Amino acid sequence: GAVVSQHPSWVICKSGTSVKIECRSLDFQATTMFWYRQFPKQSLMLMATSNEGSKATYEQGVEKDKFLINHASLTLSTLTVTSAHPEDSSFYICSASPRVFDTEAFFGQGTRLTVV
Amino acid sequence: GDSVTQMEGPVTLSEEAFLTINCTYTATGYPSLFWYVQYPGEGLQLLLKATKADDKGSNKGFEATYRKETTSFHLEKGSVQVSDSAVYFCALTGTTGGGNKLTFGTGTQLKVEL
Repeated sequence: GAVVSQHPSWVICKSGTSVKIECRSLDFQATTMFWYRQFPKQSLMLMATSNEGSKATYEQGVEKDKFLINHASLTLSTLTVTSAHPEDSSFYICSASPRVFDTEAFFGQGTRLTVV
Repeated sequence: GDSVTQMEGPVTLSEEAFLTINCTYTATGYPSLFWYVQYPGEGLQLLLKATKADDKGSNKGFEATYRKETTSFHLEKGSVQVSDSAVYFCALTGTTGGGNKLTFGTGTQLKVEL
């Protein structure tokens, strides 16, 4: 099946610094990728839809300037958490599909971000 | 908007017990329905799916049937194993906007004991 790789799997950073998370589709091209956030013992909340070659679409309540998304190619989307604070500590997961209207999404392994 | 409601956990069962995790949904049109599983420290893996009414998804002994009349997609397994301990998420893809945008339930933690 389709493979989505996310890197790094975990990161610890100091408060005030920025962290970049990469999401790659390894064996298919993805026009659209999705970024989710998961708080401990809670469900996944969609943060934004990443569109290749254009601006990302953010969900209500998600700060665009804090969570920068760049979808520079059909196989790579990046999420940068800028000026991270402890409340940004969370599990971030990306997903992608081989076809625009495919009903199945493939998920990356997730990134555990801890801001100290 | 679309929403998914799952039974709250944790659910604790003995090995070989019967499992049911309830899931109901609200959506316009005809969404596709999914169950994802998340093992400790890992990302999500698709467990099974159903794309139209009365379809039954099955995998690894798990089953779920798309019931449009009751807007439900309950997950069942006849005999659980310790290795089934994980968090299970019911989800749907909407029929408007991004076709692959998933709406998740809150997740149900399953603990299987010997």
